[in-house]
Amino acid sequence: AQKVTQAQTEISVVEKEDVTLDCVYETRDTTYYLFWYKQPPSGELVFLIRRNSFDEQNEISGRYSWNFQKSTSSFNFTITASQVVDSAVYFCALIVLRTSGSRLTFGEGTQLTVNP
Amino acid sequence: AAGVIQSPRHLIKEKRETATLKCYPIPRHDTVYWYQQGPGQDPQFLISFYEKMQSDKGSIPDRFSAQQFSDYHSELNMSSLELGDSALYFCASSKKETVGGGGYTFGSGTRLTVV
Repeated sequence: AQKVTQAQTEISVVEKEDVTLDCVYETRDTTYYLFWYKQPPSGELVFLIRRNSFDEQNEISGRYSWNFQKSTSSFNFTITASQVVDSAVYFCALIVLRTSGSRLTFGEGTQLTVNP
Repeated sequence: AAGVIQSPRHLIKEKRETATLKCYPIPRHDTVYWYQQGPGQDPQFLISFYEKMQSDKGSIPDRFSAQQFSDYHSELNMSSLELGDSALYFCASSKKETVGGGGYTFGSGTRLTVV
């Protein structure tokens, strides 16, 4: 079975601070995909990034960056120079491909509050 | 680009009533997934369909049923509603061969409130 753990339930920062959201996953499969989703107060799930298990190259996209380390089963997400609009719940998620279907396993989510 | 369409966006039902949620996947996507997200919780997988056949089943109550129709849209039927069924219900669609490559798209969700 797969498991995703986001140890940080809530994080509160002041605008312009950098913030890192932690994600640790468990799976016995060697092929899998990791995702980060953002859920603003309006409720929709906004896709941010995916990574497959063979691609440990870290990436920077604007103010967002991701650090994927298979050795520690971690897939952390950093927002630099945070803004009030970044306030949302962030979910880390894992897919293992199966012939029966590819359900997403989500972490518990981290509520990020960015204060002005 | 076309997205996953869910209807209705909001639904209020009384206990013991029945509710039907609809999902229209992205054209040419062959798989539909349903998730339930309770207040303050992460989304939980309910059920999925591949090419109109049930492909996977999660923690879906027996009071719930779902199906995928010939036009690939899907409906989630919920009977004997309970207060605990109040949640955000998401539908997602994908093409089986690209699901890991980012082809997994969520709808905006249906917020069900049972009173």
